[in-house]
Amino acid sequence: DTGVSQDPRHKITKRGQNVTFRCDPISEHNRLYWYRQTLGQGPEFLTYFQNEAQLEKSRLLSDRFSAERPKGSFSTLEIQRTEQGDSAMYLCASSKVGRQGADGTQYFGPGTRLLVL
Amino acid sequence: DQQVKQNSPSLSVQEGRISILNCDYTNSMFDYFLWYKKYPAEGPTFLISISSIKDKNEDGRFTVFLNKSAKHLSLHIVPSQPGDSAVYFCAASVFGNEKLTFGTGTRLTIIP
Repeated sequence: DTGVSQDPRHKITKRGQNVTFRCDPISEHNRLYWYRQTLGQGPEFLTYFQNEAQLEKSRLLSDRFSAERPKGSFSTLEIQRTEQGDSAMYLCASSKVGRQGADGTQYFGPGTRLLVL
Repeated sequence: DQQVKQNSPSLSVQEGRISILNCDYTNSMFDYFLWYKKYPAEGPTFLISISSIKDKNEDGRFTVFLNKSAKHLSLHIVPSQPGDSAVYFCAASVFGNEKLTFGTGTRLTIIP
């Protein structure tokens, strides 16, 4: 078990460009979460999937953001027409179905650091 | 609206002594609390958790205490070791909604 992986680890883009990030969860985990972390803040919830179904989206997830999890395995997070305010660390986590801290503990990947110039 | 607050941005503790990290919350619906540890360039790593039906949970050198009436929890690390130097995040969740609400973190530095 290699844990949660994210690709790329770093991305620099110009304002107005589209970017896509990928997350591969731990293989037996059927829940997948996306969070965003800005400097000096804790991670903020964006959205989560159970298998391929997107069950909740935060109001932070504007129309320019879209997430998918085809076939309930890896997930992608796309940001269209990037803005400087999108610069952040994008974290992915996965878990089994269950309560936090027990079977449902969320395990995080290393994150993708996005810088929008 | 910061529902989970960590009011100490940083803390320095001598090696071998006790480290105490604090967290306050405002949402009375939170019923599960967790501590994560984060090293630079890595994702948060789960440390320990506590359900609202308990007031203490212990795992090796780590103990979490929950005071529901004060809406306060704390993480005790004893004895502190140099490898404990990291940023510690408190997080909370509501039963039936598995998203985590995080605090802003406390940077712990263990002085050899």
